[in-house]
Amino acid sequence: ETGVTQTPRHLVMGMTNKKSLKCEQHLGHNAMYWYKQSAKKPLELMFVYSLEERVENNSVPSRFSPECPNSSHLFLHLHTLQPEDSALYLCASSQVAFSGNTIYFGEGSWLTVV
Amino acid sequence: KNQVEQSPQSLIILEGKNCTLQCNYTVSPFSNLRWYKQDTGRGPVSLTIMTFSENTKSNGRYTATLDADTKQSSLHITASQLSDSASYICVVSGWMDSSYKLIFGSGTRLLVRP
Repeated sequence: ETGVTQTPRHLVMGMTNKKSLKCEQHLGHNAMYWYKQSAKKPLELMFVYSLEERVENNSVPSRFSPECPNSSHLFLHLHTLQPEDSALYLCASSQVAFSGNTIYFGEGSWLTVV
Repeated sequence: KNQVEQSPQSLIILEGKNCTLQCNYTVSPFSNLRWYKQDTGRGPVSLTIMTFSENTKSNGRYTATLDADTKQSSLHITASQLSDSASYICVVSGWMDSSYKLIFGSGTRLLVRP
């Protein structure tokens, strides 16, 4: 138990579907992140939220839409995805964004786009 | 370009043996260096974090070293166990282009065999 919970753990969706990934952190942190992990590639930062405000968006296609209703919850809304979007999506949190604080990761959501 | 290179890409050792994983980086200026362990299908878990002034940091059977002059770090695993089978990811952070960034290595996949 890392204190960061992600659901669902596995998701298969068609290219025309709309789905959402959910993340909840129980650590009292102020920053939350979405990362994408593709096979044999380094983790790619997608979005950073600090106190519910988006502070970084790393040129992510608009078919990925994040939402942070409060400092404990983070969503990633998915629509009209492509097969190359299949990957492990990791949610993470830290006490403060852009600092030396340890980043705590969730277990990830395995996404397969068919 | 700020990069983090890890070697070897993969490693197989027998249970009980020691091993050392390498991380070379060109990130500058450097803030801190982290090692994470990622079990297959799970999220990364922090093992150690070191600032530029620290040379070594231990966490049980894991010992990380850092040479900020040569921009090299290593993770030494002592008396390996089957549960050490995982990917080990080196992450270097610092302020680059006026923003704080974490640069992830591609990881070393370790397999410990009985």
